[in-house]
Amino acid sequence: KQEVTQIPAALSVPEGENLVLNCSFTDSAIYNLQWFRQDPGKGLTSLLLIQSSQREQTSGRLNASLDKSSGRSTLYIAASQPGDSATYLCAVVQGAQKLVFGQGTRLTINP
Amino acid sequence: DGGITQSPKYLFRKEGQNVTLSCEQNLNHDAMYWYRQDPGQGLRLIYYSQIVNDFQKGDIAEGYSVSREKKESFPLTVTSAQKNPTAFYLCASSIAISYNSPLHFGNGTRLTVT
Repeated sequence: KQEVTQIPAALSVPEGENLVLNCSFTDSAIYNLQWFRQDPGKGLTSLLLIQSSQREQTSGRLNASLDKSSGRSTLYIAASQPGDSATYLCAVVQGAQKLVFGQGTRLTINP
Repeated sequence: DGGITQSPKYLFRKEGQNVTLSCEQNLNHDAMYWYRQDPGQGLRLIYYSQIVNDFQKGDIAEGYSVSREKKESFPLTVTSAQKNPTAFYLCASSIAISYNSPLHFGNGTRLTVT
């Protein structure tokens, strides 16, 4: 059974720092991996989708990497801003409707 | 603007009552989904639908029911058989049931049952 783990559960950093969020998964048989952002009391917003054949994907200040063989993905946020404060979730896609989510990392950027 | 609308944002019910959560999308997506989110846990799939008049159970379907009479609408009923109904419920849609179709989420309904 696929298990997705995100460590740490919470992270607090000063504004302007570069930071890395981690996501690990136990079964490397995945189609792709997605990173989402969730603001308090809101739904999820898709940030990046990395295909299983890709190593990384970039969007603005965000860069996501994928290492299937080691079962790891990282989300790199450059020059963090207070508006980046949110919970970040990763999900691995094992089938057409089979997404397995991690518990999320709650990120706080301090001005 | 296209999107997914969930209503109401907050819902309170007494134990033993059925309650229906609304989900409407104007994205012209074929596939729709219902997820449940509990504190400290990832999202878990309740039901999904590939097309009108078709739906399938997800990982935690017991105590829930759905219908898909229109492409735009995918209401979820939380029945009295659901043992722990208090949770945050999220509706999502995608162009199709495909591992490459990104999910679009609504803003959720927080259900509290006392």
